[in-house]
Amino acid sequence: NAGVTQTPKFQVLKTGQSMTLQCAQDMNHNSMYWYRQDPGMGLRLIYYSASEGTTDKGEVPNGYNVSRLNKREFSLRLESAAPSQTSVYFCASTSQVNMNTEAFFGQGTRLTVV
Amino acid sequence: GENVEQHPSTLSVQEGDSAVIKCTYSDSASNYFPWYKQELGKRPQLIIDIRSNVGEKKDQRIAVTLNKTAKHFSLHITETQPEDSAVYFCAASPGATFGTGTRLKVLA
Repeated sequence: NAGVTQTPKFQVLKTGQSMTLQCAQDMNHNSMYWYRQDPGMGLRLIYYSASEGTTDKGEVPNGYNVSRLNKREFSLRLESAAPSQTSVYFCASTSQVNMNTEAFFGQGTRLTVV
Repeated sequence: GENVEQHPSTLSVQEGDSAVIKCTYSDSASNYFPWYKQELGKRPQLIIDIRSNVGEKKDQRIAVTLNKTAKHFSLHITETQPEDSAVYFCAASPGATFGTGTRLKVLA
């Protein structure tokens, strides 16, 4: 039982490049989330998926897109990376919608855009 | 949407002393209040949570109190140890809004 798995763990991009962060959970959870973590800013919600087939914007969605590929997988795409997107990204999942139960986080992806 | 404020942003205590971190929330419909601990370079992990039908919950050295009328809740850590040093986040749900975090340093 691996929980929530994110790939990659580290990534360096040049401005304008694109990439996709992958996230998968094996807990049969309905809801999945993408957060970014910046110093002093806490965890800010980018996008979430309440259930398979649905996605919604969070607090800071600009510059990102998501895909809920199936119940297990939720990917985050940066189409044209900018230095302001340098951050640590966390994927999370919960059994209930709206994070109304314990959230399980992936190990994080440290992204640097130069 | 929900707004969660967390204070203080940093907290230093001597080993063995108590630490208290406070959060306020804005949405009276919130009914689930978890606390997460994030050690350096690691992922956040749940340490304790409380639902709106109780006012206090304890788990060994940690406790959470909830005041629904005032819309605030607090994390209490007693007999702090060096391994308690970490960043602590509160959250209020439904919703997925976290506080900005408190960096706790326990000085030996």
